[in-house]
This record gives sequence, C-alpha cells and structure tokens, in this order.
Amino acid sequence: ETGVTQTPRHLVMGMTNKKSLKCEQHLGHNAMYWYKQSAKKPLELMFVYSLEERVENNSVPSRFSPECPNSSHLFLHLHTLQPEDSALYLCASSQELASQETQYFGPGTRLLVL
Amino acid sequence: AQSVSQHNHHVILSEAASLELGCNYSYGGTVNLFWYVQYPGQHLQLLLKYFSGDPLVKGIKGFEAEFIKSKFSFNLRKPSVQWSDTAEYFCAAKSTGRRALTFGSGTRLQVQP
Repeated sequence: ETGVTQTPRHLVMGMTNKKSLKCEQHLGHNAMYWYKQSAKKPLELMFVYSLEERVENNSVPSRFSPECPNSSHLFLHLHTLQPEDSALYLCASSQELASQETQYFGPGTRLLVL
Repeated sequence: AQSVSQHNHHVILSEAASLELGCNYSYGGTVNLFWYVQYPGQHLQLLLKYFSGDPLVKGIKGFEAEFIKSKFSFNLRKPSVQWSDTAEYFCAAKSTGRRALTFGSGTRLQVQP
C-alpha cells in the first residue's frame, strides 16, 4: 500500500551495538526525511536529504548517522545508543518544489535500546 | 517559533457521532496544512491537505477540514464516525519554501460500537 518501505520493522539493540535502519521510496521523489516518534511527544524531524545531499540536521546527536546513497534509499546508522533513544523511527519522502509538496511516510522501525 | 497545537489528546465517541478535532498553528506567512492518520499498527497516511483556494478541504473516508486564517486553525471534521475511524490523528504544518513539517502531538480517537 505504501510507496515507502522500511526495514527492519522492529529492532532491539544493546547500548554497545551498531545497527542500521533502511528506507526505500518507490515514488520517484527527490527528498527524504528521518523523523523520531516518541511516546507522548510530537514527531521530531531529524534529517532531511534533498537530491542526496543533507540539507537539514536538527541538532541530532552524533550517535545517529544518516546516509543517502541515491534518491531512492536512505539509511540511519546507529551506534552507542541510549535507552532514551527507544522510539519509532519514521522515514518519509516528497517531491521538492512540486506545486503541492506532500510528505509520504513509511511504516517505521520500532527501536528498543536496552 | 513555529508550532502546531492539538487541543484534544484523547477523544471517545460512539458510532454515528460527529467529530471535530482542533488544530491551531503559529506561523508567519503562507502555510501549508495537513492532517495525517495512523491506524493501529499501520503507517501515517495522508487524510487531506490545504495549500490554497477553497478553505474547506475534503479528504478521504468522509473527512474534511476548514482553514480559518483569522483563527490560525485547521480543524478536522467528520459528520458520522465509524468504529474503523479509531486511530491517532496528527495535524501538521509547513511554511512555504521550508522543508520541515511541524507536527502536533496527536489526538487519539476511540470510537465505540
């Protein structure tokens, strides 16, 4: 149903682990986003990539490292996370400069840091 | 600072009741407005959006929203809810020319059969 897919859907990791989240969009869009959705807090924008270049980084700790190898794929590399980083991580994409630019979301990766 | 406020955190309705969820934004300039829905276990889906023109916007599944510029509001409405409308609803706003969507904290709607 969705043109944006994310893997894995669930992830449990220890604080010393390194893992990566993957996002793929099949909509032909040129911009991709990472959001964090924590319980009882609004969605928070983490990173924005436009034409594969990072254009926004909203004061995210360096333990989160994004990568955008092409316009269809977006990764979020995780290392030495903290328990408070447990959340739902959402990927989105849009067509920048479209007349009615709209972001479309993937199903998210639910991350638990132990 | 740009912000979006949703006044109702949890709403419980019976089937066939009418729904109105409040959303207010604080933005200068031209703003684009959105309502997204997140059904249990599913991804965020776009319900409707406003960019310009007719301030009454119709979306999917019988939802509509009205943009009232003087009140900085974009309330979501549905005349008669169904059990399948049980979900969390998010209002979001974006300034024209900016990339970031700012979300409200969401309203959890529970429709009882």
